[in-house]
Amino acid sequence: GQQVMQIPQYQHVQEGEDFTTYCNSSTTLSNIQWYKQRPGGHPVFLIQLVKSGEVKKQKRLTFQFGEAKKNSSLHITATQTTDVGTYFCAGGTGKLIFGQGTTLQVKP
Amino acid sequence: NAGVTQTPKFQVLKTGQSMTLQCAQDMNHNSMYWYRQDPGMGLRLIYYSASEGTTDKGEVPNGYNVSRLNKREFSLRLESAAPSQTSVYFCASREIASSSYNEQFFGPGTRLTVL
Repeated sequence: GQQVMQIPQYQHVQEGEDFTTYCNSSTTLSNIQWYKQRPGGHPVFLIQLVKSGEVKKQKRLTFQFGEAKKNSSLHITATQTTDVGTYFCAGGTGKLIFGQGTTLQVKP
Repeated sequence: NAGVTQTPKFQVLKTGQSMTLQCAQDMNHNSMYWYRQDPGMGLRLIYYSASEGTTDKGEVPNGYNVSRLNKREFSLRLESAAPSQTSVYFCASREIASSSYNEQFFGPGTRLTVL
């Protein structure tokens, strides 16, 4: 079945450093979604990418969808302590398949 | 608008006990989902209901049953709880499963411990 892999599993950065998480699917995706889960909280939708090669920005966050629509990345510029949490990618239409997530820790 | 609500928030069971996790959404969404979250495993789909009256297995359905009671409510039942079912359970809803443009809204979760 379809698998969605994310790397790295954990990342510790100093506040102000950049951060990137990568997502790879075993199959071509019709779209990819990104979610953020704060410690002790529930996943919250961030964004969806649909087109091949699409790039979207939300303030310091940049999301990319690969040309082959099998991979995606989330890049955070100049991390802040408010960025702490686990970031998930998810692909699929009828039922979303989630990656394992990347947990980001930010040291002030 | 409460969004997606789940009850209970916490539960401790003994092995072999049964219980039902309740989920309700007030967004008039067609599709509802149950996930479990374990450390390092991400969110794994247990069961989902693409629309009222239908249910389908996800990645990890063994040991669970579901009921789509009506459009608003989707319950998850553990008939005979096992320690391996200790997890955080999230319910989610989505407007239309077949569309490519719908985000999922998650409930606050139920933290279940099976002793």
